[in-house]
Amino acid sequence: GESVGLHLPTLSVQEGDNSIINCAYSNSASDYFIWYKQESGKGPQFIIDIRSNMDKRQGQRVTVLLNKTVKHLSLQIAATQPGDSAVYFCAETFSNSGYALNFGKGTSLLVTP
Amino acid sequence: DTGVSQDPRHKITKRGQNVTFRCDPISEHNRLYWYRQTLGQGPEFLTYFQNEAQLEKSRLLSDRFSAERPKGSFSTLEIQRTEQGDSAMYLCASSFLETQGWGNIQYFGAGTRLSVL
Repeated sequence: GESVGLHLPTLSVQEGDNSIINCAYSNSASDYFIWYKQESGKGPQFIIDIRSNMDKRQGQRVTVLLNKTVKHLSLQIAATQPGDSAVYFCAETFSNSGYALNFGKGTSLLVTP
Repeated sequence: DTGVSQDPRHKITKRGQNVTFRCDPISEHNRLYWYRQTLGQGPEFLTYFQNEAQLEKSRLLSDRFSAERPKGSFSTLEIQRTEQGDSAMYLCASSFLETQGWGNIQYFGAGTRLSVL
């Protein structure tokens, strides 16, 4: 079946550097995408979302890029901080599904001092 | 705290027993979702409600699982005759879906961790 996947299971960056987390999706019907951050023992925390008629969206220190041609998403975190260490998930969905989210496995981000 | 609340946080049960989890969504959110997450995996969709109506159920939701949202506010998820394979984190999320809106940000609770012995 179609699924959401992540290119890298783990990513280690130094504090202050920029981080890029990648995600591939395969359902061409998906029209809405969300990035979540999950810390140990907690539920997923919303970071940023984007819909399929956009190619870029910016938040505070985060940017999401969407390339529909190759079905690819990325999350860019500027000036990564130790508090950014967590597992990051991208999720895809489409409005006709009731927005039921299809998550990938996640990328573990480790920020070293 | 005005976030999504789940109770209990942890549940240990013996195989064959029934368990029930509760989720209190963010006030006035009209959508409520249940997901299941196993170690090292992303959450998997189980079911969702629009107000009190259950609109979709995943094939992951076997006949042993039932969910309710009787008054369109809190929801319960019951698992009957639990099996070891039911051990997982059960996550609840809520959202407010606007009829003219373009997205649906789901806010998650901390989850209920179920261990079936």
